Amino acid sequence: DTEVTQTPKHLVMGMTNKKSLKCEQHMGHRAMYWYKQKAKKPPELMFVYSYEKLSINESVPSRFSPECPNSSLLNLHLHALQPEDSALYLCASNPGLARNEQFFGPGTRLTVL
Amino acid sequence: GNSVTQMEGPVTLSEEAFLTINCTYTATGYPSLFWYVQYPGEGLQLLLKATKADDKGSNKGFEATYRKETTSFHLEKGSVQVSDSAVYFCALAPNRDDKIIFGKGTRLHILP
Repeated sequence: DTEVTQTPKHLVMGMTNKKSLKCEQHMGHRAMYWYKQKAKKPPELMFVYSYEKLSINESVPSRFSPECPNSSLLNLHLHALQPEDSALYLCASNPGLARNEQFFGPGTRLTVL
Repeated sequence: GNSVTQMEGPVTLSEEAFLTINCTYTATGYPSLFWYVQYPGEGLQLLLKATKADDKGSNKGFEATYRKETTSFHLEKGSVQVSDSAVYFCALAPNRDDKIIFGKGTRLHILP
């Protein structure tokens, strides 16, 4: 398995809903990432997990809550989002050590009503 | 600090034309350099990479050479196809750092 998978592909939620995004990789990569991408912009880093521990939080609002249950799985829990949070949410993984590069999943297109 | 500057788009070319997308960077140390491509409605795909000076990355007919003297990593392709229409991001990864720094992206349109 040489890819990063994300579910769901599309998500529509109201501002009072609670939902979760899921990301998986089975390449043994040591680091996993959440990015937010708005239209016509580069991805913006949100969180980094390294060896299943949160290593970087780019001052993301608490309505976004990441979780890394194991080395292959990364979740992003969403609660009380705002319409401006509508975006493409990308997950990535990184083998690390001598090979520092990121592999991206296809993304979840989130719409907040 | 670390930064990436790439040419503003959109870039519109005819099929079989020669492509250059310019990318320059500012970094301390010896970063790795990347080009990512994003097709409409999809995530980012790693197109090519170079990890040290004078390395040439290549994939699918695209090439880029890591030029430390000019701090550049320009993307080239000899003959573009309609299927190359996408957004291209130049990026750098500082050594011993989990972050990647992206350029703003260049949208490429190829006309048949």
